Amino acid sequence: GIQVEQSPPDLILQEGANSTLRCNFSDSVNNLQWFHQNPWGQLINLFYIPSGTKQNGRLSATTVATERYSLLYISSSQTTDSGVYFCAVYDVQFYFGTGTSLTVIP
Amino acid sequence: DVKVTQSSRYLVKRTGEKVFLECVQDMDHENMFWYRQDPGLGLRLIYFSYDVKMKEKGDIPEGYSVSREKKERFSLILESASTNQTSMYLCASSAGTAYGYTFGSGTRLTVV
Repeated sequence: GIQVEQSPPDLILQEGANSTLRCNFSDSVNNLQWFHQNPWGQLINLFYIPSGTKQNGRLSATTVATERYSLLYISSSQTTDSGVYFCAVYDVQFYFGTGTSLTVIP
Repeated sequence: DVKVTQSSRYLVKRTGEKVFLECVQDMDHENMFWYRQDPGLGLRLIYFSYDVKMKEKGDIPEGYSVSREKKERFSLILESASTNQTSMYLCASSAGTAYGYTFGSGTRLTVV
């Protein structure tokens, strides 16, 4: 299957700071999705982004499919952004990275 | 918005019991999936289904089975629960390969 690597594995931010999370994948993919898992375990879809750039409020994502990576940008972070961020790529099935654990401190 | 509902948020079962985890989606999606999530191992696909009465094995199907008698419902069955099946179980559905996943809120299963 496709290998998905996320970096950094852990991130601690002061509230208001910006951050960039990275997702590298080992092969061409049809689709890519970013999720946020909140402290209660719920996986929330952030972006469905097989290519290009999308923005939703303080979050934006860019996927460069030809270079096999995607970036998730979080600006002006808030404590509610804490949790684990997963990248998942699709080829027959979705393959998940091991996530970036983000902690935003007040 | 698509809603994916898992029947229980927390479940405690005894070793050897037969366990049913239920998942229902309300948007007529063709595709449904069961994952388990464990610390350090990420999300691993157990089974998936692209149509009613159809099932495919994922990466870790051993010890599990599934049932999809109706389009909206996908059940995960632990035939004889074991302690190594203690985990977070997540169900997802999708309209197709060109679309993303929507996940349920998860079931934390503890087998004692």
